[in-house]
Amino acid sequence: KQEVTQIPAALSVPEGENLVLNCSFTDSAIYNLQWFRQDPGKGLTSLLLIQSSQREQTSGRLNASLDKSSGRSTLYIAASQPGDSATYLCAADSGTYKYIFGTGTRLKVLA
Amino acid sequence: NAGVTQTPKFQVLKTGQSMTLQCAQDMNHEYMSWYRQDPGMGLRLIHYSVGAGITDQGEVPNGYNVSRSTTEDFPLRLLSAAPSQTSVYFCASSFKPGLTGELFFGEGSRLTVL
Repeated sequence: KQEVTQIPAALSVPEGENLVLNCSFTDSAIYNLQWFRQDPGKGLTSLLLIQSSQREQTSGRLNASLDKSSGRSTLYIAASQPGDSATYLCAADSGTYKYIFGTGTRLKVLA
Repeated sequence: NAGVTQTPKFQVLKTGQSMTLQCAQDMNHEYMSWYRQDPGMGLRLIHYSVGAGITDQGEVPNGYNVSRSTTEDFPLRLLSAAPSQTSVYFCASSFKPGLTGELFFGEGSRLTVL
């Protein structure tokens, strides 16, 4: 059974810092891994999708990597801004139509 | 671009009442799903559908029913609401899991059961 873990649960950083969010999964047989952002009281917004044949994806200041052999994905945020403050979630798609989510990392970027 | 639309956004029910949460998508997605999000427990899959007429159970299906009569709509029915069903419910859709697989979410429906 796939399990997804995100550590730390919360993180505070000063503005401008580069940071890495971690996502671990137990079953390496995944099709895709997706990163989301959730603002308080809102739905989830897709940030990046990494397919199993890919090792990373980039969008603006965001870069997500996938290492299936070690069961890890990381989301790198460059030059963080207060507007990046949100909860970041990852989800693994093992091809069983059941996306499994981590519990998220709550990020606060201090001005 | 409407994307995934959920109604209502907020609902208060009394124990034992029934209701339907509506979900519609205009992206011609085959896959649709319902999650509930509770503090400290993340998102848990309730039911999902891979096409019209096809539904299956997720991790926490008890107390909920679904049907998929059209590609666009995937309503979630609470048969007899219980306080344990107080949660935020999200509908999500995807073109084709296992291929492109990108999951799109609605804004959520916040349900309180008294």
